[in-house]
Amino acid sequence: DTGVSQDPRHKITKRGQNVTFRCDPISEHNRLYWYRQTLGQGPEFLTYFQNEAQLEKSRLLSDRFSAERPKGSFSTLEIQRTEQGDSAMYLCASSLKPELFSGANVLTFGAGSRLTVL
Amino acid sequence: EDQVTQSPEALRLQEGESSSLNCSYTVSGLRGLFWYRQDPGKGPEFLFTLYSAGEEKEKERLKATLTKKESFLHITAPKPEDSATYLCAVVSLGGSQGNLIFGKGTKLSVKP
Repeated sequence: DTGVSQDPRHKITKRGQNVTFRCDPISEHNRLYWYRQTLGQGPEFLTYFQNEAQLEKSRLLSDRFSAERPKGSFSTLEIQRTEQGDSAMYLCASSLKPELFSGANVLTFGAGSRLTVL
Repeated sequence: EDQVTQSPEALRLQEGESSSLNCSYTVSGLRGLFWYRQDPGKGPEFLFTLYSAGEEKEKERLKATLTKKESFLHITAPKPEDSATYLCAVVSLGGSQGNLIFGKGTKLSVKP
């Protein structure tokens, strides 16, 4: 297993265009997360899935953003009508579901997909 | 509101000069505290998880400790390859298990 894979690593687009990012998690992990990170800031939570079910969405995830995880394997994050404020690193992570009453499980992050909106 | 504050924002050390990074947190009950290392242009890499006050974990030149209000990442005799941004994150009992709340990080530079 090569870890969490993200594609593309870099994307430059013009304002108003749609973009899609793909994430392939570690195969035995049933949870998949999307975070966004801007320069000089820590990652900010966007959404997460357990298998194919999207369990939580941050208020940062406007209606221009949509994430899917068909069949509980890879996930896609689509941004429609991109704005300059969408420029950021989009990080995907995966983990096992924590055991009941235990602490939180460790998230393994991918290398990220950097989006630049001109 | 759950919050994580890291200090200092940036730290410059000479090789071999030990120091500590601070992570202060305010959460509605702590489920877990995480330390990650992030190199430029890469995703965060997991270092440690701490769950309860008094817990300590070590890995090579790094040691993480936890109290009820803060965590420290102690770096002993650092080397240039320890240069990176160190991120602290918490998961609160009142929040989702999927939602890691990160601080802004401490950018560490170690000069030879």
